[in-house]
Amino acid sequence: DQQVKQNSPSLSVQEGRISILNCDYTNSMFDYFLWYKKYPAEGPTFLISISSIKDKNEDGRFTVFLNKSAKHLSLHIVPSQPGDSAVYFCAAIEYNNNDMRFGAGTRLTVKP
Amino acid sequence: DAGITQSPRYKITETGRQVTLMCHQTWSHSYMFWYRQDLGHGLRLIYYSAAADITDKGEVPDGYVVSRSKTENFPLTLESATRSQTSVYFCASSERGSGGAGDTQYFGPGTRLTVL
Repeated sequence: DQQVKQNSPSLSVQEGRISILNCDYTNSMFDYFLWYKKYPAEGPTFLISISSIKDKNEDGRFTVFLNKSAKHLSLHIVPSQPGDSAVYFCAAIEYNNNDMRFGAGTRLTVKP
Repeated sequence: DAGITQSPRYKITETGRQVTLMCHQTWSHSYMFWYRQDLGHGLRLIYYSAAADITDKGEVPDGYVVSRSKTENFPLTLESATRSQTSVYFCASSERGSGGAGDTQYFGPGTRLTVL
């Protein structure tokens, strides 16, 4: 069973506009959430994370929002840049459990 | 070079053969992980290790064997490769076990394995 779902396989936005990537989860025991970014032929790299005790975390152009009641999180990128074009993975984990679960990924294309 | 490396980067093998994927990290991280990435599934954890000589199963361990005799190395062995094990394999390491801030996993570049 896929406990973390990214229902949009792809997203295309114009440079300078906002990119919103969405992620849903089913396991209410998850208490830490992460976003990873992946370029072709490279490993995923950590982007931003959020603890379940928060509803927002911001790091420069990247903001992650968490809605625990809806079991939903989103990643906002403002403004989007062509270099942001990559596959973005949402991940979730329970504290003291090393089995991090990933979504299937969303391919973001930012057009100049 | 510092960081986490994987070898080989590409491997083609035949059904039934044994193949070992190597992972090496220079940070002295305690935790190391093996994932496979398949279309539609994202990354799924195969095995992880909390320290030398300590390993544990992840979500999809069947058909795989791991060992960790040294902190810096974490090889993954497919004892008898099957076509369903065709995938991209990523190794990762972290200072502490996953579960909170500061436990960020750092990934290697991946090994693309094809089983014919």
